[in-house]
Amino acid sequence: QSVLTQPPSVSGAPGQRVTISCSGSSSNIGSGYVVQWYQHLPGTVPKLLIYGDSYRPSGVPDRFSGSKSGTSASLAITGLQAGDEADYYCQSYDSSLTGFVFGGGTRLTVL
Amino acid sequence: EVQLLGSGGALVQPGGSLRLSCAASGFTFSGHAMSWVRQAPGKGLEWVSTISGSGGNTYYKDSVKGRFTISRDNSKNTLYLQMNTLRADDTAIYYCAKMSLSYIGVTGNFDYWGQGTLVTVSS
Repeated sequence: QSVLTQPPSVSGAPGQRVTISCSGSSSNIGSGYVVQWYQHLPGTVPKLLIYGDSYRPSGVPDRFSGSKSGTSASLAITGLQAGDEADYYCQSYDSSLTGFVFGGGTRLTVL
Repeated sequence: EVQLLGSGGALVQPGGSLRLSCAASGFTFSGHAMSWVRQAPGKGLEWVSTISGSGGNTYYKDSVKGRFTISRDNSKNTLYLQMNTLRADDTAIYYCAKMSLSYIGVTGNFDYWGQGTLVTVSS
């Protein structure tokens, strides 16, 4: 059971917008600790997609955006493409566990 | 270009030991904290351990404390993970990851990942 809760799967048609939620608690996201999002494409290594809640590293398209409110965070993907099919993970810090924590991951399927 | 090349994964019996290595290039190694993150078969990502850029500070996930030791040799640009008293639930792909900060900070993120090395603990 992951400390950060994500839906196991989401799906959308090409061109559509999807969101992936990441629910935490008062010891992690709710304490203001920043949230990161990673994209893990099949056969590759994880890639940093969003850091500091809503910032994109150089090279990440602006179709990807992050937000945070209260004890939850969200990743939004607009203009869905076949190449976006991947597992997406949120990550933060937990003060109770005194360590970094990941969500269980969400498999995105492009219909 | 940042490159992280993990190695050392193998099949090991329960209770055994293994040392993973991660050779880094393309950035100032001593200027960044480094981490190990694992992924068990069919499961998600799980943080294991982090070491500061100087090597003076370390962090561990509770379940590996006392069994795993993270270290680094900044003269060789190499990160290590010594794993002792291995258990079946340690079976996973182990990724080394560069962190954005030199110190172990709560705002740190894993900005580059190595290709992973497979550790299988089984009799």
